Amino acid sequence: KAGVTQTPRYLIKTRGQQVTLSCSPISGHRSVSWYQQTPGQGLQFLFEYFSETQRNKGNFPGRFSGRQFSNSRSEMNVSTLELGDSALYLCASTLDVANEQFFGPGTRLTVL
Amino acid sequence: EDQVTQSPEALRLQEGESSSLNCSYTVSGLRGLFWYRQDPGKGPEFLFTLYSAGEEKEKERLKATLTKKESFLHITAPKPEDSATYLCAVQVFTDKLIFGTGTRLQVFP
Repeated sequence: KAGVTQTPRYLIKTRGQQVTLSCSPISGHRSVSWYQQTPGQGLQFLFEYFSETQRNKGNFPGRFSGRQFSNSRSEMNVSTLELGDSALYLCASTLDVANEQFFGPGTRLTVL
Repeated sequence: EDQVTQSPEALRLQEGESSSLNCSYTVSGLRGLFWYRQDPGKGPEFLFTLYSAGEEKEKERLKATLTKKESFLHITAPKPEDSATYLCAVQVFTDKLIFGTGTRLQVFP
């Protein structure tokens, strides 16, 4: 069974640009969560989608947004990039909302 | 405010030297506690889920236990390949996962 896939794996952008990251969950999983991981803050929850609806949201500014499609694939978007947005962005999928989450390899975003 | 704290931040062990990692939490409602292992440059890999105080789970050299306020990850006779960052996460009743900052484990031969 294929795991969670994320594209692209690496991304370099400049301040002010916007970026879209993609996540394909494990087949049959309906819930997708996004996290930002930085050395100082650890893993911080961004948002969670289930059946195309946002169920939970973390404490991030409105520049961070996401969506989920009918096939459970998810995208997150960051607009007006700042230097502090440089991080590893992780996507995790679960069969249902209360189950253990399985993570993808992440997208390493560098903002210059 | 919901909070998860892991200690120590870093741990260096000799191969075969058993030890324990701690995860303490103060949350409004615990739905489950998860342990993950993360290798450099990779996403976290699921290890265990614990749901109630007194519960224990084992996998190879790892054993996770849970009390009402904390969880321990015991590593018995570790090997160099056990070197990784171990993350603890608490799932609250809103189903959000709150992660600790991890324990970076290094096992030397």
